[in-house]
Amino acid sequence: TQLLEQSPQFLSIQEGENLTVYCNSSSVFSSLQWYRQEPGEGPVLLVTVVTGGEVKKLKRLTFQFGDARKDSSLHITAAQPGDTGLYLCAGASTGNQFYFGTGTSLTVIP
Amino acid sequence: DTEVTQTPKHLVMGMTNKKSLKCEQHMGHRAMYWYKQKAKKPPELMFVYSYEKLSINESVPSRFSPECPNSSLLNLHLHALQPEDSALYLCASSQEGITAYGYTFGSGTRLTVV
Repeated sequence: TQLLEQSPQFLSIQEGENLTVYCNSSSVFSSLQWYRQEPGEGPVLLVTVVTGGEVKKLKRLTFQFGDARKDSSLHITAAQPGDTGLYLCAGASTGNQFYFGTGTSLTVIP
Repeated sequence: DTEVTQTPKHLVMGMTNKKSLKCEQHMGHRAMYWYKQKAKKPPELMFVYSYEKLSINESVPSRFSPECPNSSLLNLHLHALQPEDSALYLCASSQEGITAYGYTFGSGTRLTVV
């Protein structure tokens, strides 16, 4: 059973467009992380959110943790080709287990 | 030093070969992990070492054999692999028991079994 479902699975957009990636679960998580993985590299941690309703901004990226700590979203403003990659959410359960989401593959076309 | 270093970066091996993947970190992390990842899919957990002891083995075939010689090193010994074992193998580390801080991943070893 996949605890964290991401949508969309694949996304191809033009440079300058905005996009939102969703990470949904029926389980509660004590914290949630977002990673970006470029081809041929390992995932790189972008942000950790721990409080329900929390919003964090990282330049053009905005991360939100749902009030019930079951879901999260990643919004990218004015996407650039350098944003291309696999975006993974990952949640830490209250039992300290760690689960990756299903992944969203983003391609930004120049 | 905030990196996890994996070697080799690429490996091609035959089904009868024996090879090893290596991982090293000097962040003082006491938990280390091996993951297997297929293209555009999330990483799949294989093994977890906590304080140099194997704490989780996710029903991985015995042709994969992990080893943790000390708190900074993690190896994955490979023997008699199958073509379907071709994948990106990722090593990660974290502060033990504090997964809220996330993992630090290495760049991976791209393994091809021929």
